[in-house]
Amino acid sequence: GENVEQHPSTLSVQEGDSAVIKCTYSDSASNYFPWYKQELGKRPQLIIDIRSNVGEKKDQRIAVTLNKTAKHFSLHITETQPEDSAVYFCAATPSSGSARQLTFGSGTQLTVLP
Amino acid sequence: DGGITQSPKYLFRKEGQNVTLSCEQNLNHDAMYWYRQDPGQGLRLIYYSQIVNDFQKGDIAEGYSVSREKKESFPLTVTSAQKNPTAFYLCASSLPSGRDTGELFFGEGSRLTVL
Repeated sequence: GENVEQHPSTLSVQEGDSAVIKCTYSDSASNYFPWYKQELGKRPQLIIDIRSNVGEKKDQRIAVTLNKTAKHFSLHITETQPEDSAVYFCAATPSSGSARQLTFGSGTQLTVLP
Repeated sequence: DGGITQSPKYLFRKEGQNVTLSCEQNLNHDAMYWYRQDPGQGLRLIYYSQIVNDFQKGDIAEGYSVSREKKESFPLTVTSAQKNPTAFYLCASSLPSGRDTGELFFGEGSRLTVL
């Protein structure tokens, strides 16, 4: 089955700096890669996703890049703000139409220092 | 206000007791899921149901049971057979088959502590 590894487990950055979280996956058939953000005490929410037919996707201050050859994808947050502090989870699935096959990474606790 | 409601938010139980966590959704989603979240381990799938009266084991189903008698409801029972039940439990749903984009819609979770 799929195995997703996520690094780092914790990340602290100064407000205004960039943050990068990386994930690797094992199943070359995986073709959908979402990122979820979970603020303290709140539900995880999808913030951005990418499908295997594109290499990069951007939404304001967040972007995701995908390298299918190397089987890794990354979340980039620019101009970080205190409200970006949260746990971020990556995930992968071999079927973009099937949430039940999602395999999650172990999470990254991002802290943005004022 | 559409969404997924989990209750209770916090629950304490003594060893040897079964406990049932509630999950209700008004999103008209067919598929529902239960995940367990432990520190440093991400989200692990316990059970999922794609349709009423049908459900499937996930990766860590041992010691858990579910039912799906109504589309809106997917309760999870943590039985006394679950060796390490203290955890944060998340319920989720997804769009119906054919419109499923892969996105999960989560509840706010239930934190179970076994004393």
